[in-house]
Amino acid sequence: AQSVAQPEDQVNVAEGNPLTVKCTYSVSGNPYLFWYVQYPNRGLQFLLKYITGDNLVKGSYGFEAEFNKSQTSFHLKKPSALVSDSALYFCAVGQNFVFGPGTRLSVLP
Amino acid sequence: DAGVIQSPRHEVTEMGQEVTLRCKPISGHNSLFWYRQTMMRGLELLIYFNNNVPIDDSGMPEDRFSAKMPNASFSTLKIQPSEPRDSAVYFCASSPGGTEYSNQPQHFGDGTRLSIL
Repeated sequence: AQSVAQPEDQVNVAEGNPLTVKCTYSVSGNPYLFWYVQYPNRGLQFLLKYITGDNLVKGSYGFEAEFNKSQTSFHLKKPSALVSDSALYFCAVGQNFVFGPGTRLSVLP
Repeated sequence: DAGVIQSPRHEVTEMGQEVTLRCKPISGHNSLFWYRQTMMRGLELLIYFNNNVPIDDSGMPEDRFSAKMPNASFSTLKIQPSEPRDSAVYFCASSPGGTEYSNQPQHFGDGTRLSIL
């Protein structure tokens, strides 16, 4: 069965520091991988996706993600965190529309 | 451009009542999804449609839940009769693309917060 894991419930980082939100997946065949962000009382917003090609994918708001096939990972990264990045982040597999449990990111001023 | 529109944004009703949630997808999008979000179970896919046809409803919890998509611009999710354990935030999402909709990003509405007393 296809699945997504986000091993950290919560990630805390200081403003200006780099951030990483982790995601691992289990998919038969080539994966379609997505990152979404959710702010309070709002729906999920698409950040970026990996379908094929370059392993480093750039997305909205300065976020990027690195696809690593050997480690079956798709970690979300940003070089310099902002307080406004504080939100709930979801990794997802496209083939069966499965979302990870979410990671709450808190960026501290 | 208008995004995915859901109504109502909040619904409070008593156990046993019928609840109808509504969704207007983004114009031109071929696929529509209904999700339920709770603290305990996270985000769960209930059902999805492609070109107005239900493709997979295996996530629908039980017969009390039903979904329809009578045309490309409207979908409903109905719960009858409702129970307290149905309390959750229900999201509708749409995406473009035909047969390759699984590699397209989804655009979410802001959800309906449902409370069953």
